[in-house]
Amino acid sequence: DSGVTQTPKHLITATGQRVTLRCSPRSGDLSVYWYQQSLDQGLQFLIQYYNGEERAKGNILERFSAQQFPDLHSELNLSSLELGDSALYFCASSVEGLRSDTQYFGPGTRLTVL
Amino acid sequence: AQSVTQLGSHVSVSEGALVLLRCNYSSSVPPYLFWYVQYPNQGLQLLLKYTSAATLVKGINGFEAEFKKSETSFHLTKPSAHMSDAAEYFCAVSRAGNTGKLIFGQGTTLQVKP
Repeated sequence: DSGVTQTPKHLITATGQRVTLRCSPRSGDLSVYWYQQSLDQGLQFLIQYYNGEERAKGNILERFSAQQFPDLHSELNLSSLELGDSALYFCASSVEGLRSDTQYFGPGTRLTVL
Repeated sequence: AQSVTQLGSHVSVSEGALVLLRCNYSSSVPPYLFWYVQYPNQGLQLLLKYTSAATLVKGINGFEAEFKKSETSFHLTKPSAHMSDAAEYFCAVSRAGNTGKLIFGQGTTLQVKP
């Protein structure tokens, strides 16, 4: 158990819908990351937050948005869903959000868009 | 820019045989390198990481990796494979700058035959 929790574990929805994925980091970690894992794209970095502020952005679609709240949990919002958004979404956390940090991954949320 | 190439998407070994998973990186700055393992239906777990302290890095479950700057490689090895080592393995490099963004290789699935 990494100490990072993600809810829900599975999510099945229809095209055009909007969903919210939630992540709670390990106790003491200030930085949260979101990654997408799909068969065709592999593991892709989406976005990083540090203590409530966005620190880095990857190839995150405009239909996707995220935030980190004062209690440090984070939410990833996916809207106008398309079939191609079906993937495993991981949240990770680390202490300082730096290059040398170890990132601890949650169990992931499997999103299926029908 | 940073990138990672994992040679061989599938590796099959017999139980008790040497495990060698290959990773080559490209980095414009001194790299921080990581190996993660993903068991079926689970998140990623850190095996080991290189942060320039020592070129031979020992990790969990008997794995180790050697950083070779001249070859831009960070191959993962284990002297004797166990059935429980069957999983997908990811090599990653952290991006330059004030961010913990990880860039992952495509992954190598390790099969261990009895």
